Amino acid sequence: QKEVEQNSGPLSVPEGAIASLNCTYSDRGSQSFFWYRQYSGKSPELIMFIYSNGDKEDGRFTAQLNKASQYVSLLIRDSQPSDSATYLCAVGGGSEKLVFGKGTKLTVNP
Amino acid sequence: DAGVIQSPRHEVTEMGQEVTLRCKPISGHNSLFWYRQTMMRGLELLIYFNNNVPIDDSGMPEDRFSAKMPNASFSTLKIQPSEPRDSAVYFCASSPRASGKETQYFGPGTRLLVL
Repeated sequence: QKEVEQNSGPLSVPEGAIASLNCTYSDRGSQSFFWYRQYSGKSPELIMFIYSNGDKEDGRFTAQLNKASQYVSLLIRDSQPSDSATYLCAVGGGSEKLVFGKGTKLTVNP
Repeated sequence: DAGVIQSPRHEVTEMGQEVTLRCKPISGHNSLFWYRQTMMRGLELLIYFNNNVPIDDSGMPEDRFSAKMPNASFSTLKIQPSEPRDSAVYFCASSPRASGKETQYFGPGTRLLVL
């Protein structure tokens, strides 16, 4: 069973701080990695994807991938109250489908 | 462009009744996915189609669940008979690539409550 693990949180950070969200995966052959944001009562919304080792930046968001350690993270700089949501990590591996983690709930306090 | 469209948005039914959920994927997308989300189990893939063909239905819980995609712009997920444990949010998603592990775009979901 391919697994994607996330700390369920809640993770609480003050406004303006850096929020760090982490995800580990079990399938060493995984090739595609995604971060989705899900507001309460809404559907998952794609934030970023990453395929190669290293960092990928998009505005206040940075995805980091380390395939050797089977670890992917999402950093949110200058966190805003509007970033408060559940963040889902999804991994695409040899099973030809995305496996989602259960998500980390982030709260940004004004 | 319109996103993924799902109907109904909410459904309340009684145990034993048939439930049909509908999905219209983003035009031009080649893959369609049905997910179920609960607090306990998170987001689970039920089935996905590439070019209207079912590729992986290993997540379909049991024979009470069935899914069809008669054409590129329409899919249904049917539960017959429904049970209280089927209560969940059901999401449909589509992807531009004919792959199960590329970027997916989610519809608004159908909140199902089986009494």
